[in-house]
Amino acid sequence: AQSVAQPEDQVNVAEGNPLTVKCTYSVSGNPYLFWYVQYPNRGLQFLLKYITGDNLVKGSYGFEAEFNKSQTSFHLKKPSALVSDSALYFCAVRRNYGGATNKLIFGTGTLLAVQP
Amino acid sequence: GAVVSQHPSRVICKSGTSVKIECRSLDFQATTMFWYRQFPKKSLMLMATSNEGSKATYEQGVEKDKFLINHASLTLSTLTVTSAHPEDSSFYICSATPHGGILSSYNEQFFGPGTRLTVL
Repeated sequence: AQSVAQPEDQVNVAEGNPLTVKCTYSVSGNPYLFWYVQYPNRGLQFLLKYITGDNLVKGSYGFEAEFNKSQTSFHLKKPSALVSDSALYFCAVRRNYGGATNKLIFGTGTLLAVQP
Repeated sequence: GAVVSQHPSRVICKSGTSVKIECRSLDFQATTMFWYRQFPKKSLMLMATSNEGSKATYEQGVEKDKFLINHASLTLSTLTVTSAHPEDSSFYICSATPHGGILSSYNEQFFGPGTRLTVL
């Protein structure tokens, strides 16, 4: 069965400190991996994706994520957190089998709270 | 590029009425649009996959007669919540996958801003 796990419901970090939001996945074949951010009462905003190539992917707003195939993980990171980074973060994986209807499997979300 | 809009952003209706939510891809043509439902502090639940010119594919447990989806063009999909009840109150989000062109690589989904439905 395909699944995405975000083991932490909430991550608390002080402003200026590095942050990590964890994500692990279980999908057969080579997955496409995504991170999205959601601010209150808003839709999802794309942060970054891994398709192939370098395991370290750089995305929007200074975020990056590291793809680790052996650990089936795709953790989101940022060297220095900002209060404005406080939001709900979703990890997602898309099954790569071609065609036009590739569904996204979302994790349960992790609420990031950055304290000033 | 790759902007998706939803209308309305917020709607309040009486129980028993029907509500239509529009999802538009503003600067690209969308082969496929997806409709999600999100409960408070919960993840997104895929309701259905909408392909232009064909019937939508509903996920298990989603009532197709209650949540009518129409994808009449490559830039517009609509979700109609029929005979809405308070339990249908939720945040509905659509996404769109580009058709052809550079944006179609990897069939990435672009999300709309969401519609908050409150049924009284």
